[in-house]
Amino acid sequence: GAVVSQHPSRVICKSGTSVKIECRSLDFQATTMFWYRQFPKQSLMLMATSNEGSKATYEQGVEKDKFLINHASLTLSTLTVTSAHPEDSSFYICSAPWAGETYNEQFFGPGTRLTVL
Amino acid sequence: AQKITQTQPGMFVQEKEAVTLDCTYDTSDPSYGLFWYKQPSSGEMIFLIYQGSYDQQNATEGRYSLNFQKARKSANLVISASQLGDSAMYFCAMRDPDNYGQNFVFGPGTRLSVLP
Repeated sequence: GAVVSQHPSRVICKSGTSVKIECRSLDFQATTMFWYRQFPKQSLMLMATSNEGSKATYEQGVEKDKFLINHASLTLSTLTVTSAHPEDSSFYICSAPWAGETYNEQFFGPGTRLTVL
Repeated sequence: AQKITQTQPGMFVQEKEAVTLDCTYDTSDPSYGLFWYKQPSSGEMIFLIYQGSYDQQNATEGRYSLNFQKARKSANLVISASQLGDSAMYFCAMRDPDNYGQNFVFGPGTRLSVLP
């Protein structure tokens, strides 16, 4: 199956700093990638859809100026959390759709655990 | 809009026994697919099984099977012969038609604990 990687897997930063998270599709091209956020003991919630060559679309309630998304190539999307605050501490997971033989599957990255002190 | 409901926040099962994790959904689309994912404490999302709305038979993958009841809009996951390594969060998910069916919407999840 297809592989999606994320880097870093874990990051701790001070309040007010910016953090960049990379999501890469390793063996397939992804014109679209998705960024999810998961707070402790909660489900995954879609934050934004990252589109190669165009602006990302954000879900309601997600600040686009705080969560900058850049889909630089067909295999790379980055999420930058700007001026991070403790409430941004969460587990961030990216995914990319891939058309399999019988259905469209979603391949997830391993996730990035962000802790803002 | 669609919604996924998982009514069991937590479940316990004895090792080697079977367990059923509930999932009900709400969609107006005639064609849809249901997915189950396992999320261990490491956080990775592990794909388990898929059921298409037009599939004639219930999906099975090794120890995982789906009890798909279309009229009731339920797609319960059955894990047979539970193992200690099955302890994890389990999420039921569907493709989101509001975003061309590419991203997923997830249920709240069920935490399964397998007891030795």
